[in-house]
Amino acid sequence: EDKVVQSPLSLVVHEGDTVTLNCSYEVTNFRSLLWYKQEKKAPTFLFMLTSSGIEKKSGRLSSILDKKELSSILNITATQTGDSAIYLCAVEETSGSRLTFGEGTQLTVNP
Amino acid sequence: DSGVTQTPKHLITATGQRVTLRCSPRSGDLSVYWYQQSLDQGLQFLIQYYNGEERAKGNILERFSAQQFPDLHSELNLSSLELGDSALYFCASSPGLAGRVLSTDTQYFGPGTRLTVL
Repeated sequence: EDKVVQSPLSLVVHEGDTVTLNCSYEVTNFRSLLWYKQEKKAPTFLFMLTSSGIEKKSGRLSSILDKKELSSILNITATQTGDSAIYLCAVEETSGSRLTFGEGTQLTVNP
Repeated sequence: DSGVTQTPKHLITATGQRVTLRCSPRSGDLSVYWYQQSLDQGLQFLIQYYNGEERAKGNILERFSAQQFPDLHSELNLSSLELGDSALYFCASSPGLAGRVLSTDTQYFGPGTRLTVL
């Protein structure tokens, strides 16, 4: 069965800190890895990483896919209170478009 | 705003009842996915439809069913409701089938329906 594990499950930092969130996966047919940010409502898409695109960056957020280690990291630099959310990692299979999600990392950024 | 709409936002009902959740995908998207998010199990894939046909099934209970209509909106029907069915139900949409080369084939989520079964 496909499996996605995120760590840590919870993280509390101060504004300005840099954080690294981890995601490891085991899937039969890997197509892509996605990061989502979930505040009080729906997951909001951040990045998609595929075999042809293993590093993405958008402002203070960046993500890298390590195909050899079957893992990904999401970095957030100069954190702000608005970054407080649950960050979800999901993998997509080749055989179907279902997403298998990890448990998420609850990030709290204190002023 | 992702462009995916879901109604209702909140639903409170009693055990044994039946409810219908509705989803309208983003304009042009052919695939619709349903997910359940509960406190103890995280986000779980239920079912996928592509252009009106069932494409993939996850851990969906037999008491649950879904369909996608010709106008591409989708409905998730939950029957014989139990307390444990209380959760957030999300619909997501994407342009098309998996296996496509296009990197834009990303799933965008609707705001969800919060179901409370009393």
